[in-house]
Amino acid sequence: DTGVSQDPRHKITKRGQNVTFRCDPISEHNRLYWYRQTLGQGPEFLTYFQNEAQLEKSRLLSDRFSAERPKGSFSTLEIQRTEQGDSAMYLCASNVLLGQGAGGYTFGSGTRLTVV
Amino acid sequence: GENVEQHPSTLSVQEGDSAVIKCTYSDSASNYFPWYKQELGKRPQLIIDIRSNVGEKKDQRIAVTLNKTAKHFSLHITETQPEDSAVYFCAARPSGNTPLVFGKGTRLSVIA
Repeated sequence: DTGVSQDPRHKITKRGQNVTFRCDPISEHNRLYWYRQTLGQGPEFLTYFQNEAQLEKSRLLSDRFSAERPKGSFSTLEIQRTEQGDSAMYLCASNVLLGQGAGGYTFGSGTRLTVV
Repeated sequence: GENVEQHPSTLSVQEGDSAVIKCTYSDSASNYFPWYKQELGKRPQLIIDIRSNVGEKKDQRIAVTLNKTAKHFSLHITETQPEDSAVYFCAARPSGNTPLVFGKGTRLSVIA
């Protein structure tokens, strides 16, 4: 297990199309997070899971966005009816909940989405 | 909710000099403060972190200080090297084990 994997690395799609991204976290990590990063900005929280349970969704996440983590392992993030404003880097991160609280994140390399 | 402000947005230093990046946070219950380094085209990587029960932490040329009263924390890099050039992000974790809230980043350039 070499870290957090994201697929695809790049995605170009036409406006109005649906896209789905996948994240494979570090196997022993029970928490998985999705963030979005645009140029010159810090990562913005979208949603997160503890095992298979989705614990929180950001107000940034419109109803066109949905995320799943069906077996508490990999996760998918789907964007329906993409808009140009969805163009961004989508980062996945994972960590483990310890006795003192959650530790630092390990990030994946991200999926860069371009909506044309 | 938590709000993290980071300054400066860009920083240029001569090789060998020190660099300091500062962040403030709004939620006094925040309990964990990591710093990430992101090189161009690469993933953010954790470089150092501090918990709210500690005032300072060092790791070789990198140190982080936390002032809970003032609700600010800082990253200090000494003897900077060209490979320190990157974007640095601070973050804070609000109460409990909720997700991190990130600052907007500081682009550090170390000039040889």
